[in-house]
Amino acid sequence: SAVISQKPSRDICQRGTSLTIQCQVDSQVTMMFWYRQQPGQSLTLIATANQGSEATYESGFVIDKFPISRPNLTFSTLTVSNMSPEDSSIYLCSGKKGANTGELFFGEGSRLTVL
Amino acid sequence: KQEVTQIPAALSVPEGENLVLNCSFTDSAIYNLQWFRQDPGKGLTSLLLIQSSQREQTSGRLNASLDKSSGRSTLYIAASQPGDSATYLCALNNAGGTSYGKLTFGQGTILTVHP
Repeated sequence: SAVISQKPSRDICQRGTSLTIQCQVDSQVTMMFWYRQQPGQSLTLIATANQGSEATYESGFVIDKFPISRPNLTFSTLTVSNMSPEDSSIYLCSGKKGANTGELFFGEGSRLTVL
Repeated sequence: KQEVTQIPAALSVPEGENLVLNCSFTDSAIYNLQWFRQDPGKGLTSLLLIQSSQREQTSGRLNASLDKSSGRSTLYIAASQPGDSATYLCALNNAGGTSYGKLTFGQGTILTVHP
């Protein structure tokens, strides 16, 4: 399995603020993705983090709200901007290794609570 | 649009039982199917990956099968243990290439194995 680490693991934030989540992967990972899991729900893909270029966002997610960076192959950040209580979720970084199996691995997630 | 359904939503069994978790999907044109385990408040652990050309995969006490024609997958857990208690998620990838990371998840089955 690939090693994927995220931080912070959890945080409590005030409405209107922004928080950046960091994700570090091992060198086996070639593609990186960000998912959201709202309370009691399953996972939804936010975007694909592209190295050195703008992320590819899924329908319903926009760059102004969820800016993503991936400055190099093994590191990415997701910012949740201008947070509201509806943004309270677990945000998960995931990655795919270079081998053509399609298997995805996930980090431990970052649990955000917005007051 | 792919829809994934997992039945049952919750399952409680005594230790030692063999059990089956079910996953059904509407679009059989899948690239692969992956079973995950999620412990409360945690990230996802990949359990088994089945490619579209495969019928089953095994890992230890776990066996996953895939029947594309009927749109079904099952996860069989043999000799269940309390440590197996978790939420089990089924996820499908409908396309390879640049869509490797876009998994469609089911809502999960919450499994409780009591001593």
